[in-house]
Amino acid sequence: GAVVSQHPSRVICKSGTSVKIECRSLDFQATTMFWYRQFPKQSLMLMATSNEGSKATYEQGVEKDKFLINHASLTLSTLTVTSAHPEDSSFYICSASAAGGRGRTWAQYFGPGTRLTVL
Amino acid sequence: RKEVEQDPGPFNVPEGATVAFNCTYSNSASQSFFWYRQDCRKEPKLLMSVYSSGNEDGRFTAQLNRASQYISLLIRDSKLSDSATYLCVVNGGAGSYQLTFGKGTKLSVIP
Repeated sequence: GAVVSQHPSRVICKSGTSVKIECRSLDFQATTMFWYRQFPKQSLMLMATSNEGSKATYEQGVEKDKFLINHASLTLSTLTVTSAHPEDSSFYICSASAAGGRGRTWAQYFGPGTRLTVL
Repeated sequence: RKEVEQDPGPFNVPEGATVAFNCTYSNSASQSFFWYRQDCRKEPKLLMSVYSSGNEDGRFTAQLNRASQYISLLIRDSKLSDSATYLCVVNGGAGSYQLTFGKGTKLSVIP
């Protein structure tokens, strides 16, 4: 259980274009999903918390108009990187919280990530 | 002080060795603690939660000391497949879903 999928796995785009990344919880409902970014040899950095049916909560320094988050259902959250630039190139990973079972209480389960390269 | 600090590593150990990772956290309100592993260019995967009483899962043993705000992970009889980066993770407090990640400790198990 607690499987999270993410699509696409890899994107290469031109500067100025927008890229949409989908995150789905496959076998459970996720009221809350999270979007992270990870640069090479760096730790995961939380970008925003996505709540179903309401506006996302962005971390300090993350531009909400550049990174659009939509969480329209209990199983789907999307991140759109608008007007992407080379400095946005990174590994974007979503996660969803799931509860239940010893050792898994409110842990986060991660999607496989999307590697974005902006040329 | 960093929120979650880990041994910088890398740890290079022979197969069969026992290896221990340490972690300290700064938020005394944290209630949930985890170890994740992350393979190169992959997403983090939950290895185990960490309980106050300590817990064991096969070759892996996790310990938590709330007074010292210290977490540890012990891996016995290391396998080649254990090679990965191990992330110490804590939540933001009671009822908080947000997690804070350490930078991770890289482990290489050598044949």
